[in-house]
Amino acid sequence: QKEVEQNSGPLSVPEGAIASLNCTYSDRGSQSFFWYRQYSGKSPELIMSIYSNGDKEDGRFTAQLNKASQYVSLLIRDSQPSDSATYLCAVEPNSGTYKYIFGTGTRLKVLA
Amino acid sequence: GAGVSQSPSNKVTEKGKDVELRCDPISGHTALYWYRQSLGQGLEFLIYFQGNSAPDKSGLPSDRFSAERTGGSVSTLTIQRTQQEDSAVYLCASSFAPGVEQFFGPGTRLTVL
Repeated sequence: QKEVEQNSGPLSVPEGAIASLNCTYSDRGSQSFFWYRQYSGKSPELIMSIYSNGDKEDGRFTAQLNKASQYVSLLIRDSQPSDSATYLCAVEPNSGTYKYIFGTGTRLKVLA
Repeated sequence: GAGVSQSPSNKVTEKGKDVELRCDPISGHTALYWYRQSLGQGLEFLIYFQGNSAPDKSGLPSDRFSAERTGGSVSTLTIQRTQQEDSAVYLCASSFAPGVEQFFGPGTRLTVL
């Protein structure tokens, strides 16, 4: 059973701090990794994708991928109350079927 | 450009009735996915379409669920003889190609009484 695991939270950080969200996955051959943000009652919104080891930065967001350790993380710098949401990690296993596996998400609360 | 659209946004039905949910993907996107999200749960994969290839139906929970994609564009998810456990948000996503970013529609909230 291929799995993607995330701490459900809530993760509470003060406004302006760095929020660190982590995700581990079980399929070592996984190739594609995605972070989505989901506000309550809304559909997931793509934040970032990452395909190779290392860091990828986009504005206040940095995705980090370590395939050897099978984890992917998302850093949010200068966190804002508007960042309060559930963050979903998605992984495309190396199965060739493109059935992305989503974690259950980490709820982030940014305290003003 | 327009994003993924889904209709209806909300559907309330009685147990045993059939329902049809529609998804219109982003123009030019060849891959289309259906997911189900129950309250407080993660996304459950249902079915995947890629171009004119046979769909991957391995996530459909029972034979009451079916989906089709006409002309490589619009997709319809049909649930026959709905049950209360079918109540969930049904999300459609599309991507330019397999293995890359998926973009989600707003979802259809299905309530089975």
